[in-house]
Amino acid sequence: NAGVTQTPKFQVLKTGQSMTLQCAQDMNHNSMYWYRQDPGMGLRLIYYSASEGTTDKGEVPNGYNVSRLNKREFSLRLESAAPSQTSVYFCASSRGETQYFGPGTRLLVL
Amino acid sequence: EDQVTQSPEALRLQEGESSSLNCSYTVSGLRGLFWYRQDPGKGPEFLFTLYSAGEEKEKERLKATLTKKESFLHITAPKPEDSATYLCAVQASGGYALNFGKGTSLLVTP
Repeated sequence: NAGVTQTPKFQVLKTGQSMTLQCAQDMNHNSMYWYRQDPGMGLRLIYYSASEGTTDKGEVPNGYNVSRLNKREFSLRLESAAPSQTSVYFCASSRGETQYFGPGTRLLVL
Repeated sequence: EDQVTQSPEALRLQEGESSSLNCSYTVSGLRGLFWYRQDPGKGPEFLFTLYSAGEEKEKERLKATLTKKESFLHITAPKPEDSATYLCAVQASGGYALNFGKGTSLLVTP
């Protein structure tokens, strides 16, 4: 099993550009999550999906949209990137309460 | 509001020098307390879940314990490969998000 995979690994955007971060899991988990990690701060939840077809906002949802494409895939979209969205983004999945994380996408917005 | 504080922020140990990392928390009903290990440039790797005060879990040189207000991650006779950032997170009853601390950066020197 690959676990949780994320693409791309690294991306540079200009302010105002859009992009979609992809996440997939092969563990047959129902729930999936998007977090961001910034220096000096803990990981913060952006969006959450309890199951296919449902999504909920987390602590820092502004500027982001998500799509739960199917049970395996959960994407995060930045419609108009801002420098404040420079961060490392982690996708996670869980069946019960334990969350398993992907390797991350490093995003730099200039 | 749920809060997680980890101390120290950074810890340097000699190989074989045992020590403990602290995670203090406040949460409105604890569903679980989680410990993760994160290596530079990687995603958090799950270590332990603790559910109730008095519970202990062990894995190789690591032992996690839980009280009603804090958790400790004890590292016995550490090796250089134990160098990483250790993250603590709590999940409230009825919640889904993990509330993370800022982490403890551990360096073990030969």
